[in-house]
Amino acid sequence: KQEVTQIPAALSVPEGENLVLNCSFTDSAIYNLQWFRQDPGKGLTSLLLIQSSQREQTSGRLNASLDKSSGRSTLYIAASQPGDSATYLCAVLNTGGFKTIFGAGTRLFVKA
Amino acid sequence: EPEVTQTPSHQVTQMGQEVILRCVPISNHLYFYWYRQILGQKVEFLVSFYNNEISEKSEIFDDQFSVERPDGSNFTLKIRSTKLEDSAMYFCASSAQGRQYFGPGTRLTVL
Repeated sequence: KQEVTQIPAALSVPEGENLVLNCSFTDSAIYNLQWFRQDPGKGLTSLLLIQSSQREQTSGRLNASLDKSSGRSTLYIAASQPGDSATYLCAVLNTGGFKTIFGAGTRLFVKA
Repeated sequence: EPEVTQTPSHQVTQMGQEVILRCVPISNHLYFYWYRQILGQKVEFLVSFYNNEISEKSEIFDDQFSVERPDGSNFTLKIRSTKLEDSAMYFCASSAQGRQYFGPGTRLTVL
């Protein structure tokens, strides 16, 4: 049974810092991995999608990596800003493409 | 940019009543999903739908739940007899090429 864990659960950093959020999963037979952002009381915004055959994806200040064999993904945020404050969720879509398992998220607070 | 929409944004119902949550996926997407998020907890997969049938469902998705794509554009989640523990945010998502796009959610409150 696939389990997804995110570390740390919460993180508070000063503006301008580079930071890394971690996601690990127990079953490497995945179709893809997606990182989302969730603001309080809101829906999920897709940030980056990494297919199982890829190693990383980049969008602006965000870079996500995937190491399927070790069951790990990282989300790197460069030069953090107060507007980055949100919960970041990692989600794994299993092989077959029909069931998605989410981690509990990392709650990020960037201080101005 | 196309978006997934959901109605209503907030639904309040009495225990034992039936509710229908509605979603309009992005028009050229083929895969559809329902998730729920109880306040303060993880997003939980409920069901996926492809080619007009359920592809996979979780243990949560018991006989009280059903999904339908009644008219080729809407995608609905029905809860037949709501329980207090069904109170949660329900999200619909659709995808093409693996990337899932989420709607804003329906907050269901069961009294």
